Amino acid sequence: SQQGEEDPQALSIQEGENATMNCSYKTSINNLQWYRQNSGRGLVHLILIRSNEREKHSGRLRVTLDTSKKSSSLLITASRAADTASYFCATLPNAGTALIFGKGTTLSVSS
Amino acid sequence: GAVVSQHPSWVICKSGTSVKIECRSLDFQATTMFWYRQFPKQSLMLMATSNEGSKATYEQGVEKDKFLINHASLTLSTLTVTSAHPEDSSFYICSARESASYNSPLHFGNGTRLTVT
Repeated sequence: SQQGEEDPQALSIQEGENATMNCSYKTSINNLQWYRQNSGRGLVHLILIRSNEREKHSGRLRVTLDTSKKSSSLLITASRAADTASYFCATLPNAGTALIFGKGTTLSVSS
Repeated sequence: GAVVSQHPSWVICKSGTSVKIECRSLDFQATTMFWYRQFPKQSLMLMATSNEGSKATYEQGVEKDKFLINHASLTLSTLTVTSAHPEDSSFYICSARESASYNSPLHFGNGTRLTVT
């Protein structure tokens, strides 16, 4: 089953610009996580935000969570070409043990 | 950091044969591992939750006799695609949590690209 919907599906920006990706979900969650995937590889965990948190930072990453709107956003500041990848949000439903992934946003950063 | 190793990274097999994919947690014990499937440029679809010492829990629509999961130890889970067909061609990824807390992230293997000819 799929719970999250990312927006936009694809994003192309120049180095140094900020990239914002949004994620919406359907059910009540325990936490929401963002992952990054380089082409043909496994996923790398970026950041986890709990349902009782509203904002979290990690380096150039900023994640917000609005449980009333069932949405989250990932902001990557001062993007670099190396940030080019697919980004997925994943939710842990309250009643579940496994993460449910959204469709992902493909980010392309050109130098 | 926690490392999940998946093997093989790619495999090509003939239709009708079976393929086994291994997923190992290298520096931690994982009572639960998760198997996902990913089609090109699409999201990860959860196939099953692998539980050490007990039967796997399969998601709706996933054939348990087709995708055999064995989790015989705290560091190893295997997925066997039996009687593979071309439509089984996909990218299979395993993952595990380092701790029992649901507020800990998943660590992923690098995936297995399966091509059935």
